Amino acid sequence: QSVLTQPPSVSAAPGQKVTISCSGSSSNIGNNYVSWYQQLPGTVPKLLIYDNNKRPSGIPDRFSGSKSGTSATLGITGLQTGDEADYYCATWDSGLRADVFGPGTKVTVL
Amino acid sequence: QVTLRESGPALVKPTQTLTLTCTFSGFSLSTSKMCVNWIRQPPGKALEWLARIDWDDDKFYSTSLKTRLIISKDTSKNQVVLKMTDMDPVDSATYYCARSTSYCGGGSCHSAVDYWGQGTLVTVSS
Repeated sequence: QSVLTQPPSVSAAPGQKVTISCSGSSSNIGNNYVSWYQQLPGTVPKLLIYDNNKRPSGIPDRFSGSKSGTSATLGITGLQTGDEADYYCATWDSGLRADVFGPGTKVTVL
Repeated sequence: QVTLRESGPALVKPTQTLTLTCTFSGFSLSTSKMCVNWIRQPPGKALEWLARIDWDDDKFYSTSLKTRLIISKDTSKNQVVLKMTDMDPVDSATYYCARSTSYCGGGSCHSAVDYWGQGTLVTVSS
C-alpha cells in the first residue's frame, strides 16, 4: 500500500490531453520534490519529469509536471498511441526516510 | 555514458538469502549527490522502491522490508550489493538497480532516478 495515490487508469483520444494526479501528504509531496516515470510495455522505466516540473534532455514538451500543496500532476498533451504506458510518480518521504513510488496509472489512447 | 547491470541468481528457494550485485560505469559513487537504488517490480504490478545507498555511505530502506535488507557499496569496484533475507514466493519480481541524484537542501529533498539497469528477474520457488 503506497503512501501516494494515483488513479488506476486514464484515457483519451489521440491529440487530446490527459492529466494524472499523485496525491500524498506533508511528509512527502508537501515538502519534497516529485519525479515522474514512464514505463512502456515490456521496457525499463524512463524519467519524464524531475523536481516537480523539469524535463530531462530529450523529453518532449508535451509532457509537463506541476505541484500544489500535497498533490502533483503530470500532463500529457497531443496524446499519441506511443504514449500508452504506465506512469508513476515518486518522491522522498521525510517521515519514512525513504523514497516512495505511487501505484502507477495506465494511460490508454482510445 | 552511464550504464548499470544487475547480476545474481534467477532462482532462489524460500527462506534463502538473495544477493544481487549492481555493477555500474560512467559515474562515481564517491561523487556528491550520487546514489544507487534497488527497485523491484513483480510481474504485472507496480514499481516498489527497496533501498538506496548514497555517495557518503548513508543508507535508506523501505519501511516494510528494512528488517530483511542490507545494501552496501564497493566504490573501488563500482559495485553495489543488495542482500534480502528470508525470501518468499511473493518476492518474485524483476529487480532493478538505478542511479539517482538525491540530496536535501532548504528543508526539501530532491530525488530522481535518471538511469536504470535492464533488470534481473528473480523467481522464488522450491
